[in-house]
Amino acid sequence: AQSVTQLDSQVPVFEEAPVELRCNYSSSVSVYLFWYVQYPNQGLQLLLKYLSGSTLVESINGFEAEFNKSQTSFHLRKPSVHISDTAEYFCAGRIYNTDKLIFGTGTRLQVFP
Amino acid sequence: EPEVTQTPSHQVTQMGQEVILRCVPISNHLYFYWYRQILGQKVEFLVSFYNNEISEKSEIFDDQFSVERPDGSNFTLKIRSTKLEDSAMYFCASTDPTGAQPQHFGDGTRLSIL
Repeated sequence: AQSVTQLDSQVPVFEEAPVELRCNYSSSVSVYLFWYVQYPNQGLQLLLKYLSGSTLVESINGFEAEFNKSQTSFHLRKPSVHISDTAEYFCAGRIYNTDKLIFGTGTRLQVFP
Repeated sequence: EPEVTQTPSHQVTQMGQEVILRCVPISNHLYFYWYRQILGQKVEFLVSFYNNEISEKSEIFDDQFSVERPDGSNFTLKIRSTKLEDSAMYFCASTDPTGAQPQHFGDGTRLSIL
């Protein structure tokens, strides 16, 4: 089955603590993987992408994700979160031989002071 | 940075009416997409469009739906005979001329069917 699974629907965390948002994908999903962020009342913004090359990809605001083929995972991490990181985070993958994206159900990251 | 823009941001329509959602993709992009997100559910692919024709569509995209690129800048999604279950956030996206990822998304149109 074609799927992207985000295991946590909500992740509460205190400011400056580390966080990991988990994402697993099925084998029918290609290795084009993405994390999108949705701030309240806004659209989907690309946070980072893995297309090929280095398995560790980074965003400009301190997030990183590691592509792990053996575990079919693409977890998102940040060593120290800010209040402004509060948002919904979606993992997505491109299906082989198509140009459509399949999304996970999203993880709501809530950062508390 | 270039953006995908969608109008209106919120559309309220009576059940049974037709609605047109509008999108202006990034200017040099050639691949266009519509997705929808029903409240509390995941973002779902509806349709992709390239070279003035549908390249792929999902099971959701039945005869009630249609897409069009009426001019060189707009990309529209038409929903005929709207139903309550069509209420959702609809996102437009586009990719560059190579079709390479990622897809760039607009802020969405919230469609409310009464």
